[in-house]
Amino acid sequence: GENVEQHPSTLSVQEGDSAVIKCTYSDSASNYFPWYKQELGKRPQLIIDIRSNVGEKKDQRIAVTLNKTAKHFSLHITETQPEDSAVYFCAARREQAGTALIFGKGTTLSVSS
Amino acid sequence: GAGVSQTPSNKVTEKGKYVELRCDPISGHTALYWYRQSLGQGPEFLIYFQGTGAADDSGLPNDRFFAVRPEGSVSTLKIQRTERGDSAVYLCASSPSGRATGANVLTFGAGSRLTVL
Repeated sequence: GENVEQHPSTLSVQEGDSAVIKCTYSDSASNYFPWYKQELGKRPQLIIDIRSNVGEKKDQRIAVTLNKTAKHFSLHITETQPEDSAVYFCAARREQAGTALIFGKGTTLSVSS
Repeated sequence: GAGVSQTPSNKVTEKGKYVELRCDPISGHTALYWYRQSLGQGPEFLIYFQGTGAADDSGLPNDRFFAVRPEGSVSTLKIQRTERGDSAVYLCASSPSGRATGANVLTFGAGSRLTVL
């Protein structure tokens, strides 16, 4: 089955800096890669996703890049703000096969002002 | 309903007891997932339903864990002979379909926090 590794486990940045979180996956057939944000005491929520037919996707201050050959994908947050502080999870699945979404262990991002 | 509803929100039980956790997904969502989340960890996949049937139960840790979704809506996760290591937040999520493109967005419930003493 799929295995998703995520690093770093914790990341501290100053407000305004960029943050990068990286994930690798094991199943070469996986083709859907979402990122979820979980604030303290709350449920995970989707913030951005990418499919294997594109290499990069942007949404305002966040972007995700995908390298299918290396089987890794990354989340980039620019101009970080204190409200970006949360735990971020990457995940992967085989979209058309209807397999389960498998999550990484998470990265705790702290943005200090 | 408007969102994914999970009950109970909090459950404290003694080692060896039986526990049931309930998930009421968003109306019309055919796919339903159970995850377990321990402190500081990511959601650990347990089981995934497509309609009434379990499409993938490979994440269930052992035969003490079982889940059902008899009518394709509400699901119950059942844990027999609970152990202290079962303590975690059990998250349920649903999506419109497990197979259709664009139906990948999981909506999570608030979770059921299980504490086994």
